Amino acid sequence: AQKITQTQPGMFVQEKEAVTLDCTYDTSDPSYGLFWYKQPSSGEMIFLIYQGSYDQQNATEGRYSLNFQKARKSANLVISASQLGDSAMYFCAMREPTGANSKLTFGKGITLSVRP
Amino acid sequence: NAGVTQTPKFQVLKTGQSMTLQCAQDMNHEYMSWYRQDPGMGLRLIHYSVGAGITDQGEVPNGYNVSRSTTEDFPLRLLSAAPSQTSVYFCASSYSPGRGGYTFGSGTRLTVV
Repeated sequence: AQKITQTQPGMFVQEKEAVTLDCTYDTSDPSYGLFWYKQPSSGEMIFLIYQGSYDQQNATEGRYSLNFQKARKSANLVISASQLGDSAMYFCAMREPTGANSKLTFGKGITLSVRP
Repeated sequence: NAGVTQTPKFQVLKTGQSMTLQCAQDMNHEYMSWYRQDPGMGLRLIHYSVGAGITDQGEVPNGYNVSRSTTEDFPLRLLSAAPSQTSVYFCASSYSPGRGGYTFGSGTRLTVV
């Protein structure tokens, strides 16, 4: 079974609108961390946001927020006020368990295109 | 502050050749890892290390070797290159398995012909 599932096909959003990118995960460990990364066409991996499994509040970083629903095992990324520069591939990742031997596992990614 | 440096950026190998992909970080990170990225597959973990002298296998370790003799360096060795190893390779490091994001190198695009 996949640990990280990103099933949306290519996503499109109008500039200045908000968009939600879906991510579900699977783990039996109570201690884990969830990440979102952005990969623009230039290829680099850019860290966006982190959510710990014990965090009481949803993580936010500027225009990025993470809609963490623990019972549903979902960690959706919300991008507000989309910009043309947000066009990229977005990866959800999970680290489990948190600790010295933890591994970071990625989903297959979602392509986001922002229309002017 | 260079971050994570990967060399080379591009490489073409013939089937059966061996080579080493270099990865170095100057952030005193304990945790380092190698991923390969293939279209439609996301990033898959090859090998990782939680400190000097300690390495372990990830999801797709076959055909690759690693060693970690220093905190700074984590080279990835292809023993006998195969066309199936054509991919983009990323090295990543982290200070500790905590809240911080992993820092990625810029990647190495490898083609095996």
